[in-house]
Amino acid sequence: NAGVTQTPKFRVLKTGQSMTLLCAQDMNHEYMYWYRQDPGMGLRLIHYSVGEGTTAKGEVPDGYNVSRLKKQNFLLGLESAAPSQTSVYFCASSYSGGRSGANVLTFGAGSRLTVL
Amino acid sequence: DQQVKQNSPSLSVQEGRISILNCDYTNSMFDYFLWYKKYPAEGPTFLISISSIKDKNEDGRFTVFLNKSAKHLSLHIVPSQPGDSAVYFCAAIGWGGSQGNLIFGKGTKLSVKP
Repeated sequence: NAGVTQTPKFRVLKTGQSMTLLCAQDMNHEYMYWYRQDPGMGLRLIHYSVGEGTTAKGEVPDGYNVSRLKKQNFLLGLESAAPSQTSVYFCASSYSGGRSGANVLTFGAGSRLTVL
Repeated sequence: DQQVKQNSPSLSVQEGRISILNCDYTNSMFDYFLWYKKYPAEGPTFLISISSIKDKNEDGRFTVFLNKSAKHLSLHIVPSQPGDSAVYFCAAIGWGGSQGNLIFGKGTKLSVKP
């Protein structure tokens, strides 16, 4: 059981380039999330999805787009990368949004992105 | 303004002793709290949670205490083991919010020395 898989694990971009981070989960979870973690900061929610075909903005959505065309995949896109988007990105999923122990977030291992 | 604060960036403890990690929050609408643990090069993993209707929740060596009047919670690890060395994030959910509305603290790096 792979859980949550993120690709790529590392990427270096030049300012203005575009890229897509892929998140895949094999737990049949309805909810999926993209977070970013910066040095000295907690995790901040970028976008999330409560089901296939749905997306919603989180705390820091500017400069990012997402898509959830398939239940198991959640894509995070950067159309024109900026140095401020240098960060570690974490994808997560949960069975639902409820508060029980069955619904806690399962995170991927992270994708480290550097924008020069 | 930070709503969830972990004021100690790091903590060092001797193996076998108690580790106490602290977390303060400012939003009185928070009513569910979680601790996540993160090892280097891995994603965070859920550790323990507590609802605001309780003041204590225990799971093995891990206990979380909640003091609502002080808007303070703490994670106790007894006894501490070298494998507990990690970054610990406190997180909170507001009333009516879901797991996707987690507000995370900045984290505390725990080092347990043999």
